[in-house]
Amino acid sequence: GENVEQHPSTLSVQEGDSAVIKCTYSDSASNYFPWYKQELGKRPQLIIDIRSNVGEKKDQRIAVTLNKTAKHFSLHITETQPEDSAVYFCAAPPQAGTALIFGKGTTLSVSS
Amino acid sequence: DVKVTQSSRYLVKRTGEKVFLECVQDMDHENMFWYRQDPGLGLRLIYFSYDVKMKEKGDIPEGYSVSREKKERFSLILESASTNQTSMYLCASSFPGREGYTFGSGTRLTVV
Repeated sequence: GENVEQHPSTLSVQEGDSAVIKCTYSDSASNYFPWYKQELGKRPQLIIDIRSNVGEKKDQRIAVTLNKTAKHFSLHITETQPEDSAVYFCAAPPQAGTALIFGKGTTLSVSS
Repeated sequence: DVKVTQSSRYLVKRTGEKVFLECVQDMDHENMFWYRQDPGLGLRLIYFSYDVKMKEKGDIPEGYSVSREKKERFSLILESASTNQTSMYLCASSFPGREGYTFGSGTRLTVV
């Protein structure tokens, strides 16, 4: 089955710095790669996603890149702010339209 | 806004009890999912359903069952609660072919 590995498990940055979180997946049939943000005590929320037919997608300060050959995808956050502090999860489905398998999460701390 | 509502925010149950966790969504989503979230382990898939009366096992179905008698409601059942089932339980839903999930707020279950 699909295995999604996420690194690092914790990440501390200064406000204004960039943050990068990386995930690898095992199933080459995976074609959809979302990222979720979970603030303390709240539900996970989708912040950005990418499909396998594109290599990069941006939305303001966040971007996701995908390397299908290497089976990895990354979340990039630029100009980090304290409100970016949260747990971030990557995910991938073993096959198109099936249930998502999540990474173990990255706790991002942005200090001002 | 899609709403996914989990009936209880906090639950405390005794070992051996039969426990029902309820999830209701109001946007006519076909797909519904149950995950448990534990520190350092991320979100692990318990069961999911793509249609009424249909269910599929996830990665950790042991000790759990599910029921989906109506499209909007997906119940997770702990047949005989054990202390190792103490966890945060998250329900999610989505349209078929749109893998982005909407999560409920979660139920924090403590089994004593």
